[in-house]
Amino acid sequence: EAQVTQNPRYLITVTGKKLTVTCSQNMNHEYMSWYRQDPGLGLRQIYYSMNVEVTDKGDVPEGYKVSRKEKRNFPLILESPSPNQTSLYFCASSLKAATGELFFGEGSRLTVL
Amino acid sequence: GENVEQHPSTLSVQEGDSAVIKCTYSDSASNYFPWYKQELGKRPQLIIDIRSNVGEKKDQRIAVTLNKTAKHFSLHITETQPEDSAVYFCAASTGYALNFGKGTSLLVTP
Repeated sequence: EAQVTQNPRYLITVTGKKLTVTCSQNMNHEYMSWYRQDPGLGLRQIYYSMNVEVTDKGDVPEGYKVSRKEKRNFPLILESPSPNQTSLYFCASSLKAATGELFFGEGSRLTVL
Repeated sequence: GENVEQHPSTLSVQEGDSAVIKCTYSDSASNYFPWYKQELGKRPQLIIDIRSNVGEKKDQRIAVTLNKTAKHFSLHITETQPEDSAVYFCAASTGYALNFGKGTSLLVTP
């Protein structure tokens, strides 16, 4: 089944404790992206990747890191999480660039205390 | 970066009526304009999209129009049904980043 898989789905952590949210897609998509969703603010792009080893900042990259060492994986790293990073995070992928259907993962709800 | 404005933020219609959601964008290089529907507790899913070389596109009860000169595009839902109740997001892309509007919460009452 074609899908985008994120883990963990739910996480409660404390300020400053490094964490990684994994994202994997099995559709051989070139384009991958991370979004955060907050009430009243919609979906805001954190980072995106046009292909392996190519990543770029979105609108809200502060406090996040990403890597794209393999085509299928695009982990989101929070080196030192803070409470303002409490949010619902979505990973998404598209066949090529950001001009085709974006397939979203189920979301990861992160709470930073 | 691209700025996408979406209106209204909430919309309530009676079943059978039409619903219209409007978006504007700032970057004239944007060439792809999708609409996503997000039901409560679910992930966003594409419902329709339009490219800059097309002025209108229709798929059953939903249609999207694009005015490149004015930099705005709209979603039209006709004969609304309760299952159309959801949050709808417009978006604009230059091919690199895909930027979303803040969403419209549509409620269709029987």
